[in-house]
Amino acid sequence: EDQVTQSPEALRLQEGESSSLNCSYTVSGLRGLFWYRQDPGKGPEFLFTLYSAGEEKEKERLKATLTKKESFLHITAPKPEDSATYLCAVRGGSYIPTFGRGTSLIVHP
Amino acid sequence: DGGITQSPKYLFRKEGQNVTLSCEQNLNHDAMYWYRQDPGQGLRLIYYSQIVNDFQKGDIAEGYSVSREKKESFPLTVTSAQKNPTAFYLCASSTGSPGSTEAFFGQGTRLTVV
Repeated sequence: EDQVTQSPEALRLQEGESSSLNCSYTVSGLRGLFWYRQDPGKGPEFLFTLYSAGEEKEKERLKATLTKKESFLHITAPKPEDSATYLCAVRGGSYIPTFGRGTSLIVHP
Repeated sequence: DGGITQSPKYLFRKEGQNVTLSCEQNLNHDAMYWYRQDPGQGLRLIYYSQIVNDFQKGDIAEGYSVSREKKESFPLTVTSAQKNPTAFYLCASSTGSPGSTEAFFGQGTRLTVV
């Protein structure tokens, strides 16, 4: 059974204070690891897909990295508008996405 | 614009009543999914369909039913057998296996029992 664990559950940062979110996973035959951003009361918005260890993707202040056991979402010099819940998901041999519980990020001005 | 449309955004259900949540996509995706989201629980899979006229139970299918008569549509019925239906419901779609890619989500339906 595929499993995804995200940490921390919640993170409070000051504007400009860089940090990282963790996503640990176990999956049979990784076919993709996905990061999403979710704002309150809305559906998740797709950010990145990573397929193999060593791969990195960047978008503005966000950078996602992948190893064989975990993925990190690095947030560089965050702004208040980066406040959201960040979800990690994996797709394995079943092709069904399995999600973690998310990390709630609050960035204070 | 291509995307996934869920309706209604808010839905209120009386005790013992069945309600149907709509999900339509124009992305030409084969696979569609229904997730339930509760505070602190993450997204839990209710049902999924990888092709028209076929669907499978997810982890929490009891009290729910679906149909997949058209590629574009995957409605979810919350039946009176679902004892705790108040939640945020999310529909998603993706290309089907083996060319499986990321899933895209609708904006959700918030269901409340009154």
